[in-house]
Amino acid sequence: DIQMTQSPSSLSASVGDRVTITCRASQSISSYLNWYQQKPGKGPKLLIYAASSLQSGVPSRFSGSGSGTDFTLTISSLQPEDFAAYYCQQSYSTPPTFGQGTRLEIK
Amino acid sequence: QLQLQESGPGLVKPSETLSLTCTVSGGSISSSNYYWTWIRQPPGKGLEWIGGMYYSGNTYYNPSLNSRVTISVDTSNNQFSLKLSSVTAADTAVYYCASLLSDNISSRLDYWGQGTLVTVSS
Repeated sequence: DIQMTQSPSSLSASVGDRVTITCRASQSISSYLNWYQQKPGKGPKLLIYAASSLQSGVPSRFSGSGSGTDFTLTISSLQPEDFAAYYCQQSYSTPPTFGQGTRLEIK
Repeated sequence: QLQLQESGPGLVKPSETLSLTCTVSGGSISSSNYYWTWIRQPPGKGLEWIGGMYYSGNTYYNPSLNSRVTISVDTSNNQFSLKLSSVTAADTAVYYCASLLSDNISSRLDYWGQGTLVTVSS
């Protein structure tokens, strides 16, 4: 299985900050990388697919980049509703695998 | 826009079979673009892919669970189901159903249920 490693595991930030979360794959996955947001008690929500494509309805302050083994999710200006957990997921090979998650907390 | 909702017992005894159903609304489970999937999340831990199925019957199960998992689709009720046999405490988790959209760009889980907690305990 392809291992996905996210960093940091947790992050404290303030409203208005620019935040970057990193995801690294154990082998090249081209651009087959998705990002999800999860709030407490809810199922994850798709934010970014194919490394950099914004899912319909997701605010433009979210962006993704990268290819191969290294990827980033950037939130350009944090809003109160953005404090949540974020997961990357590779869809290059089966089984699809997820990163361990990054918890974004209010400073 | 699709909506998915999990249902089933919240408590299962060790060695028994966990059974969950996902009801799909807002679209047809017979859509050729979608792969109907189950994913779980143990308390305080990350997400694990269990497996999935096309409406036509093609299935994929995570090898780590393969021998214990069965996923089926009921097109007449727009539902799909998960059965996990011989459960232990390690199978305690929030179970999610989700739709996997696959096109010429990528595969991604575009809609998820809210999840249901299943506890394995005597």
